[in-house]
Amino acid sequence: NAGVTQTPKFQVLKTGQSMTLQCAQDMNHNSMYWYRQDPGMGLRLIYYSASEGTTDKGEVPNGYNVSRLNKREFSLRLESAAPSQTSVYFCASSDLTLGQYFGPGTRLTVT
Amino acid sequence: GEDVEQSLFLSVREGDSSVINCTYTDSSSTYLYWYKQEPGAGLQLLTYIFSNMDMKQDQRLTVLLNKKDKHLSLRIADTQTGDSAIYFCAESVNDYKLSFGAGTTVTVRA
Repeated sequence: NAGVTQTPKFQVLKTGQSMTLQCAQDMNHNSMYWYRQDPGMGLRLIYYSASEGTTDKGEVPNGYNVSRLNKREFSLRLESAAPSQTSVYFCASSDLTLGQYFGPGTRLTVT
Repeated sequence: GEDVEQSLFLSVREGDSSVINCTYTDSSSTYLYWYKQEPGAGLQLLTYIFSNMDMKQDQRLTVLLNKKDKHLSLRIADTQTGDSAIYFCAESVNDYKLSFGAGTTVTVRA
């Protein structure tokens, strides 16, 4: 099992550009999540998908959109990147009771 | 409300025990978790404890839960250089959401 995979690993964008971060899991989990991690702030939930076909806003959804493409895949889109979106982005999945399993992260810089 | 607090830094000598502390606010949390993050990597689930337990031991890791004080701790016995990392405490907010602390950076010195 690969677990949770994310692409790309690194990305540099100019302000106003758009991009989609991809995430896939092979653990047959129902729930998937997108977080951002900033120094000294822990992880903040951007969006989550409790099950295939549903998505909900988390703590910091502004400037982002998500798509739950199927049970395996959950993508995060930045329509018009801003420097405040410079961060490390983590995707996670879970089967509810035993915690969330995280991907390796995407390091995004917006100049 | 959801608010998880941890001290930011811990320095420990190799071979000693490390104790990382965490306080949380949501008394209805069902599970509490400890995650480890090594440099440049994602978060790895280390262990978890169900809210009706006081203690859980898993090899070198011991988790203690004091529900009355909403206090969670992680003890690492015989700390090694490979234990240097950021450790996150998290509480389950509902079936889907976790609330994370800011993380404790553990540095193991020789």
